[in-house]
Amino acid sequence: ETGVTQTPRHLVMGMTNKKSLKCEQHLGHNAMYWYKQSAKKPLELMFVYNFKEQTENNSVPSRFSPECPNSSHLFLHLHTLQPEDSALYLCASSQGQDTDTQYFGPGTRLTVL
Amino acid sequence: AQSVTQPDIHITVSEGASLELRCNYSYGATPYLFWYVQSPGQGLQLLLKYFSGDTLVQGIKGFEAEFKRSQSSFNLRKPSVHWSDAAEYFCAVGAIPSNTGKLIFGQGTTLQVKP
Repeated sequence: ETGVTQTPRHLVMGMTNKKSLKCEQHLGHNAMYWYKQSAKKPLELMFVYNFKEQTENNSVPSRFSPECPNSSHLFLHLHTLQPEDSALYLCASSQGQDTDTQYFGPGTRLTVL
Repeated sequence: AQSVTQPDIHITVSEGASLELRCNYSYGATPYLFWYVQSPGQGLQLLLKYFSGDTLVQGIKGFEAEFKRSQSSFNLRKPSVHWSDAAEYFCAVGAIPSNTGKLIFGQGTTLQVKP
């Protein structure tokens, strides 16, 4: 499989559930990103990892917890979410985190009930 | 404050007609600029990018964009639109140099193509 993959593609969860989103990149990149895409709003950068180290946390609430065990995998752990957290969550990767092009996965459509 | 504005939320063009999608940015540093396209249910696909050099850049699917520093614009163009071009288009800007990889995205323009 090539490019950036994300699982699951769709997720419905209650506010008390704990779930995780997974992202895997097959491009040999060193930087990975989580974005949130809500209806009628620009994409919002959430987290950046470079060589497994978090380099950016864009004031994201603690109910979102990222994990990057290696340069190919990125997780977003979710707990006690709110309905307003319903959105498309996109993962991206790039060779480095400077001027390099970011390549996006298809996203996980999250609905919080 | 850093920002990207795509003034047109929704555009409808006839198949075969020309297209121009507008993008204006406000960024204190030297910008690097991207156009991405998103089809329904899909992630973002890179159409083209500008880092430096020739201000007219060519991308995939017959798209091109022109960087105009004096107007802080990076408009996307295509001479003849195909029905498969119907999608949402995002302009994004980042800074050179950057040690965060942070991109600022516009709100997007939805393109509808009439037969």
